[in-house]
Amino acid sequence: KAGVTQTPRYLIKTRGQQVTLSCSPISGHRSVSWYQQTPGQGLQFLFEYFSETQRNKGNFPGRFSGRQFSNSRSEMNVSTLELGDSALYLCASSLARAGVSEQYFGPGTRLTVT
Amino acid sequence: KQEVTQIPAALSVPEGENLVLNCSFTDSAIYNLQWFRQDPGKGLTSLLLIQSSQREQTSGRLNASLDKSSGRSTLYIAASQPGDSATYLCAVSSEGSQGNLIFGKGTKLSVKP
Repeated sequence: KAGVTQTPRYLIKTRGQQVTLSCSPISGHRSVSWYQQTPGQGLQFLFEYFSETQRNKGNFPGRFSGRQFSNSRSEMNVSTLELGDSALYLCASSLARAGVSEQYFGPGTRLTVT
Repeated sequence: KQEVTQIPAALSVPEGENLVLNCSFTDSAIYNLQWFRQDPGKGLTSLLLIQSSQREQTSGRLNASLDKSSGRSTLYIAASQPGDSATYLCAVSSEGSQGNLIFGKGTKLSVKP
């Protein structure tokens, strides 16, 4: 079974631009969560989508948004990029059934904002 | 607010040694606890998941225990190998927020040949 895939793997953007990252979950998984990883703050939760609905949201500004499609693929968008948005963005998928909630992570997208 | 702490931040051991990594959390009302490893610049690999009703899980040379009442988990690695060198992360989720993992800062393990 294929794992979680993320595209693109690397991205360089300029301050003020916007960016869209994509995540394809493991087949059959309905939940997709997004995380930001930086050396200073570590891994921080952005949001979770389940059946095309945002189920949970972390403490990030409104510039960070996401969505999920009917095939469970998810995208996250960051508008008006700031230098501090440079990070590794990871997505994770899960079956999200009672008792079966293990999260499986993709390889991440490395975003550099200059 | 849930906080997860991992001690030590870094650990260097000779090959073959058994070792223990520690994880503590402030709110015992967790849904599950998951241990991951992360190689430099890569994503996370799930190692073990312990449901809140369980006390331990084992996979090969790895054994993870959970003591909810004291807010602690340990990851035991037997007969360490250079290939075990990585950063080990522990994360907890809470009831109703299973998709929101709260992570510790990790323990960077180096196993010397």
